[in-house]
Amino acid sequence: QQQVKQSPQSLIVQKGGISIINCAYENTAFDYFPWYQQFPGKGPALLIAIRPDVSEKKEGRFTISFNKSAKQFSLHIMDSQPGDSATYFCAASRRDNYGQNFVFGPGTRLSVLP
Amino acid sequence: GAVVSQHPSWVICKSGTSVKIECRSLDFQATTMFWYRQFPKQSLMLMATSNEGSKATYEQGVEKDKFLINHASLTLSTLTVTSAHPEDSSFYICSARPRRRGDHTEAFFGQGTRLTVV
Repeated sequence: QQQVKQSPQSLIVQKGGISIINCAYENTAFDYFPWYQQFPGKGPALLIAIRPDVSEKKEGRFTISFNKSAKQFSLHIMDSQPGDSATYFCAASRRDNYGQNFVFGPGTRLSVLP
Repeated sequence: GAVVSQHPSWVICKSGTSVKIECRSLDFQATTMFWYRQFPKQSLMLMATSNEGSKATYEQGVEKDKFLINHASLTLSTLTVTSAHPEDSSFYICSARPRRRGDHTEAFFGQGTRLTVV
């Protein structure tokens, strides 16, 4: 129940295209869903996050879509750029538990071709 | 945003020696910090939860005598890899979640430490 599933494992997109990464969770106690971007040799950096009381959140070219009934959420990267090439991790946690770890998905390696 | 600083960013050590990695929260207090290990092309694997002023909580399969964690203050946690062996070579990352009012509960990560044991 603690797992977060993520797909695809890897993704290749042409410059200007849309990158879509999907995640699914089981634990209904989760109420905070961030996406992290990680470049090789660096720690993960928060990209965007959503709470289950909204179905969509957009920040620039990045959009999270959230389906509470299906327990799924996805990251859309519009107008993908070569600089977006990185590994993306979805995660889940509870907002009110600062001492609790995040549960991470296995990651998606995105390559944006110039 | 909050900053978590990790040092060193990379280290090479001889087999059998010990290596200490520091994780500092620069602009917030962190009563809890997390230590992860990441193998190439894999996700973050939680090793232990570091609690200020008390013993760390280790995940199943992580040797607490090998990976010593000390959370000496509200801004500093250290991970010491004792008697390191080549199989301990990995990317180690720490993170912390600031305690704030409202909904700011994101986790901030250090830059990571690449440990190579030769």
